[in-house]
Amino acid sequence: DAGVIQSPRHEVTEMGQEVTLRCKPISGHDYLFWYRQTMMRGLELLIYFNNNVPIDDSGMPEDRFSAKMPNASFSTLKIQPSEPRDSAVYFCASSLAGGRYEQYFGPGTRLTVT
Amino acid sequence: AQTVTQSQPEMSVQEAETVTLSCTYDTSENNYYLFWYKQPPSRQMILVIRQEAYKQQNATENRFSVNFQKAAKSFSLKISDSQLGDTAMYFCALISGTYKYIFGTGTRLKVLA
Repeated sequence: DAGVIQSPRHEVTEMGQEVTLRCKPISGHDYLFWYRQTMMRGLELLIYFNNNVPIDDSGMPEDRFSAKMPNASFSTLKIQPSEPRDSAVYFCASSLAGGRYEQYFGPGTRLTVT
Repeated sequence: AQTVTQSQPEMSVQEAETVTLSCTYDTSENNYYLFWYKQPPSRQMILVIRQEAYKQQNATENRFSVNFQKAAKSFSLKISDSQLGDTAMYFCALISGTYKYIFGTGTRLKVLA
């Protein structure tokens, strides 16, 4: 089975540009999570969805960040406008309800904003 | 508030030796789950092992085992017969009450040839 798929793997953009990160969760999983990882702040949960509905977005740093999940097999994280401090690795993870709580991570997108 | 603390930023071990990574946590929930994730240089986060708090028996996965001390709120990871491929960042994580993981800050493990 395919794991969590993220695209692009690397993104370099200039400050002020819009950035869209994409994620395809494992088929059948009903939870989807977006994380950001930096050296300074470690792994931070930005937002998570259950059955395509956002449940907790308290980790979203500011209004420049938005996330959507239009269907069970696709989610996006958008940053508009991007800033250098947004440079990080962004992970998507998915999980299956039912008690095991294990999250399966994608390979991550390394974002560099110059 | 729930917290996870990994007090060892870096560790090293000789190949074939055994190493233990420490993790302590705090939660007021009775029902919770603990995990160890591995992040090698490729940066992919890989689940190593999980432990349900209601189970007294320590979890084991091949060369990886945990020492779960519920009263002490301690959850250490033991890696036996260390291999070069075990070189990675290791994260301890707690989940309780919701589907939100609380991650520790990680321990960077280097296996020496």
